[in-house]
Amino acid sequence: GESVGLHLPTLSVQEGDNSIINCAYSNSASDYFIWYKQESGKGPQFIIDIRSNMDKRQGQRVTVLLNKTVKHLSLQIAATQPGDSAVYFCAEILNNFGNEKLTFGTGTRLTIIP
Amino acid sequence: KAGVTQTPRYLIKTRGQQVTLSCSPISGHRSVSWYQQTPGQGLQFLFEYFSETQRNKGNFPGRFSGRQFSNSRSEMNVSTLELGDSALYLCASSLGAAGDTEAFFGQGTRLTVV
Repeated sequence: GESVGLHLPTLSVQEGDNSIINCAYSNSASDYFIWYKQESGKGPQFIIDIRSNMDKRQGQRVTVLLNKTVKHLSLQIAATQPGDSAVYFCAEILNNFGNEKLTFGTGTRLTIIP
Repeated sequence: KAGVTQTPRYLIKTRGQQVTLSCSPISGHRSVSWYQQTPGQGLQFLFEYFSETQRNKGNFPGRFSGRQFSNSRSEMNVSTLELGDSALYLCASSLGAAGDTEAFFGQGTRLTVV
């Protein structure tokens, strides 16, 4: 079956340092992957996505790396800021005969230490 | 452009009752997905509606149902409430086109069953 999991439930990083959040997935047929950020009291917010035919994608201060060999996904946040404190979810999308189903991981809580 | 609106924000119900939650997607979005978020299970997919039809369904019992109206607004209903149904219910809207990965979430409805 499909499952998406995270290596670490919590992560604390000094402000200004880089952070890396990891995610493992089990369904090699997944078509793309998304990282979401959820701040307290808010719904998840889209950060960045990556298609299964890519191994790296960069955004503003964020980079997602995909290693299909070991079914591993990571989110790198550069020069972390207090506003980066949140729970980060990875999600995989499986396209099943035209229907796309989004499956979320359990989340990692990132705390930025001032 | 207004975001995704969920009502009500908070709800308290007793066991055995039923509840209806509402989600108004972003204007122009035709897909609405519902998720249940709990501390123990994380974000779990309930179902997705597109153009008034249920397009995808998660692994929840039949007590959980939904519908979508012609204006893309969606409602989900939970009948015969159980204590374990206490959760944050999130809806997400998107254009719904294949390959469209960016879903926008509402702030959720916090349901407490007592």
